[in-house]
Amino acid sequence: KAGVTQTPRYLIKTRGQQVTLSCSPISGHRSVSWYQQTPGQGLQFLFEYFSETQRNKGNFPGRFSGRQFSNSRSEMNVSTLELGDSALYLCASSSTTSGGAADTQYFGPGTRLTVL
Amino acid sequence: SQKIEQNSEALNIQEGKTATLTCNYTNYSPAYLQWYRQDPGRGPVFLLLIRENEKEKRKERLKVTFDTTLKQSLFHITASQPADSATYLCGYGGSQGNLIFGKGTKLSVKP
Repeated sequence: KAGVTQTPRYLIKTRGQQVTLSCSPISGHRSVSWYQQTPGQGLQFLFEYFSETQRNKGNFPGRFSGRQFSNSRSEMNVSTLELGDSALYLCASSSTTSGGAADTQYFGPGTRLTVL
Repeated sequence: SQKIEQNSEALNIQEGKTATLTCNYTNYSPAYLQWYRQDPGRGPVFLLLIRENEKEKRKERLKVTFDTTLKQSLFHITASQPADSATYLCGYGGSQGNLIFGKGTKLSVKP
């Protein structure tokens, strides 16, 4: 089976812009979670989608949003970018049948976002 | 708030020795803990999961323990090799259904 794929791998934006990141989960996985990873804060949970519904949400401002499509592919959007949004954004899929990001996660390679 | 801490930011050991990484959690009693490995520029890769009713779990040269009294998990790599050099993350399922991760321990195994 192909692994989790994320596009683009690298992105440079300026403050105030918005960005959309894409994630394709492992075939058959219906749960997709997004994480932000920075050297200072580590790996932090953003949100989880299961069957096109947001099931869980972390403590991030409303500028961070996401959605999931009927084929389980997911997108994450960040509006009005700030310098502090520079990070590695990781997507992970899970084979859970009931939702919940606490099950074993299969991570993609991430998108490195730099905000100038 | 629910918190998980990995005691060392970095750990340097000699090839052939056993590496022991520590993960402590507070303000919560998780049903299980997970350990992941992350190489530079890549996403974390799942290694092991241990449940609260399991004292120990093994997979090849890896061993994980879970002490609910001490609120601690230990991760051991025996006969360590330079290829084991990576950042190791522990995480648990929080009360809201999301994974809470520690900041990781960067392991360097010197030949």
